[in-house]
Amino acid sequence: GAVVSQHPSWVICKSGTSVKIECRSLDFQATTMFWYRQFPKQSLMLMATSNEGSKATYEQGVEKDKFLINHASLTLSTLTVTSAHPEDSSFYICSARTSGRTFSSTDTQYFGPGTRLTVL
Amino acid sequence: AQSVTQPDIHITVSEGASLELRCNYSYGATPYLFWYVQSPGQGLQLLLKYFSGDTLVQGIKGFEAEFKRSQSSFNLRKPSVHWSDAAEYFCAVGNDYKLSFGAGTTVTVRA
Repeated sequence: GAVVSQHPSWVICKSGTSVKIECRSLDFQATTMFWYRQFPKQSLMLMATSNEGSKATYEQGVEKDKFLINHASLTLSTLTVTSAHPEDSSFYICSARTSGRTFSSTDTQYFGPGTRLTVL
Repeated sequence: AQSVTQPDIHITVSEGASLELRCNYSYGATPYLFWYVQSPGQGLQLLLKYFSGDTLVQGIKGFEAEFKRSQSSFNLRKPSVHWSDAAEYFCAVGNDYKLSFGAGTTVTVRA
């Protein structure tokens, strides 16, 4: 099946610094990519949706100036956590869909392995 | 807005025994329903999905799920679990473009 990779798999940073997380679709072109946040023993919460070449759409309550998303190509999306603070520590997961933004029975949404961010 | 409830936080099952994971959803229209499995160090993997048609859906790894509209449920089943089935399982409902996940059920398999 299709593979989505994330880099790094874990990162520790100091409070106030910025961290960039990369998400790549390795063997397919991802028109739409998603970024999720997962707290321990909790569900995945959608942060934003991005389409290649356009601005990301953020979910309610997600600060777009803190979580910068860039979907520069059909195989790469990046999430930058700016001026990170301890409360931003979490597990960030990206996902990519093979077709467009809207669900269809023929496409599949693939998930990356996640990035563990710890802010000291 | 849609929501998903997985009533069981943790289930322990013996290897070879059957497994059923519960999922209830709240959604006004016919939902798109999914089951994903998450193993440490790996991304969520799609087990099966329901869009329409036959309410009994077959998936990978021997899993199946049944959509019951009257009960707003989409329970996941496997007749005989293997030790490798120990993982976190998520039920999700899709609306337009967005997947909403349940809180997940951790499955432990004992020898």
